Amino acid sequence: SQQGEEDPQALSIQEGENATMNCSYKTSINNLQWYRQNSGRGLVHLILIRSNEREKHSGRLRVTLDTSKKSSSLLITASRAADTASYFCATEEGSWGKLQFGAGTQVVVTP
Amino acid sequence: DTAVSQTPKYLVTQMGNDKSIKCEQNLGHDTMYWYKQDSKKFLKIMFSYNNKELIINETVPNRFSPKSPDKAHLNLHINSLELGDSAVYFCASSRQQGNYGYTFGSGTRLTVV
Repeated sequence: SQQGEEDPQALSIQEGENATMNCSYKTSINNLQWYRQNSGRGLVHLILIRSNEREKHSGRLRVTLDTSKKSSSLLITASRAADTASYFCATEEGSWGKLQFGAGTQVVVTP
Repeated sequence: DTAVSQTPKYLVTQMGNDKSIKCEQNLGHDTMYWYKQDSKKFLKIMFSYNNKELIINETVPNRFSPKSPDKAHLNLHINSLELGDSAVYFCASSRQQGNYGYTFGSGTRLTVV
């Protein structure tokens, strides 16, 4: 079954603007991860936030995690056309690192 | 290049055929996975192996059989292919312990006609 749900399903912004997407999940997790998928390509790991962390930064990416609300957000600042992709949140659960993905947010950044 | 590589990239085959997809990683990771991505981009885990041992086996038809000859390889064999098997299949790997991201292959687009 699907663990995460993402919102919005699609997002269209202009270069330079910020993009924010949200992820909600249902069960206890070890960590939450965000991945990017360009059209026709594999997934690329962006950032991982542990269940005891609340915020994490990596370059232009900022991730927050609220375990009480079972939700996370991914902020991409100063977006570029190259950020056009689908973004997936994934929750890791259990002792073997089983990763369950949300349905993804499709982001289009226009020049 | 260090990577997860899977072959073939594209596979078009008729219903009823048997086919295999191969995956290799040279990252030294202990755990490998197969995921299926459907036409709506939803990713679902199918199998996971840790050091050649099956550790995750989701509700997948038994026409799908994974094989891990060593910890660097995880192949997927599919018998009696059906139209509904058409999807993109991704191989991935990670370190054994948790709290590490996955490295994904570039995918195999399977089309059953």
